[in-house]
Amino acid sequence: AQKITQTQPGMFVQEKEAVTLDCTYDTSDQSYGLFWYKQPSSGEMIFLIYQGSYDEQNATEGRYSLNFQKARKSANLVISASQLGDSAMYFCAMREGKTVNTGFQKLVFGTGTRLLVSP
Amino acid sequence: KAGVTQTPRYLIKTRGQQVTLSCSPISGHRSVSWYQQTPGQGLQFLFEYFSETQRNKGNFPGRFSGRQFSNSRSEMNVSTLELGDSALYLCASSLRTSGPGEQYFGPGTRLTVT
Repeated sequence: AQKITQTQPGMFVQEKEAVTLDCTYDTSDQSYGLFWYKQPSSGEMIFLIYQGSYDEQNATEGRYSLNFQKARKSANLVISASQLGDSAMYFCAMREGKTVNTGFQKLVFGTGTRLLVSP
Repeated sequence: KAGVTQTPRYLIKTRGQQVTLSCSPISGHRSVSWYQQTPGQGLQFLFEYFSETQRNKGNFPGRFSGRQFSNSRSEMNVSTLELGDSALYLCASSLRTSGPGEQYFGPGTRLTVT
C-alpha cells in the first residue's frame, strides 16, 4: 500500500531564506506521481508542483523546486526566498500510475508540515 | 477561468440527519474527487467520479455516497450522520485525460455534526 511520511510537524524560517520540507514515500508501483500542496488557514488546497516517477529532472515551479531522489524514495520540497505569505500547511501526496488514464485518481496524503515564516 | 466551487461552505447538522454537498469543477474538467479532512485522520480519499461513473472508492462506509451529473457537477451525500463525520470535505477536479492530472481543490465545506 502507498504511504507518505512527513516527519516535520512544524518548521520555522525567516523571510527571504530557503527552507526544505521533507517527504518520503513507499510504494511497490514503478509508475507514480508525487505532488505538493499548500493549505492556508482558509482551507483550500493549492497545487504547487508535480514530479513523475520517470521524470529525470527535478521539477521546478517559480520559487518551488522538488528534490527527487528515487532510490531513497524521497521528494522534498524546497522553497527559495521565503515570503510571509508562505506560512501554511504543506502536504506531500502520491498517486499511483504514470498517467491519469491508468484508472487511479486517488491521492494519498502525508500528515503535513506547518511552515511559519517570520519577518 | 473560474476555480472549483463548493456549496455550502459551512453546515451544521444533527446526528442522524443526512446532508448533501455540492461541487462544481473547473470548466472542462470531467473528473471530480472527494476527500475528507479531519485532525485525527488527516486527508482521506472518499471517491472519484468521471463521466458520471464512480471510478474509485476509498475505505468509507456506505453512508457516504455520491454522484456526478452530465455537466460534471458532483454531489456527495452522507446519511445518518455521526459525530465523527464532522470534517472539512474537499472536492477536487482534474483533467483526467492528459497531463500529470494534478487535482485542483475547492475551498471545502466544513460540516459540523452535533
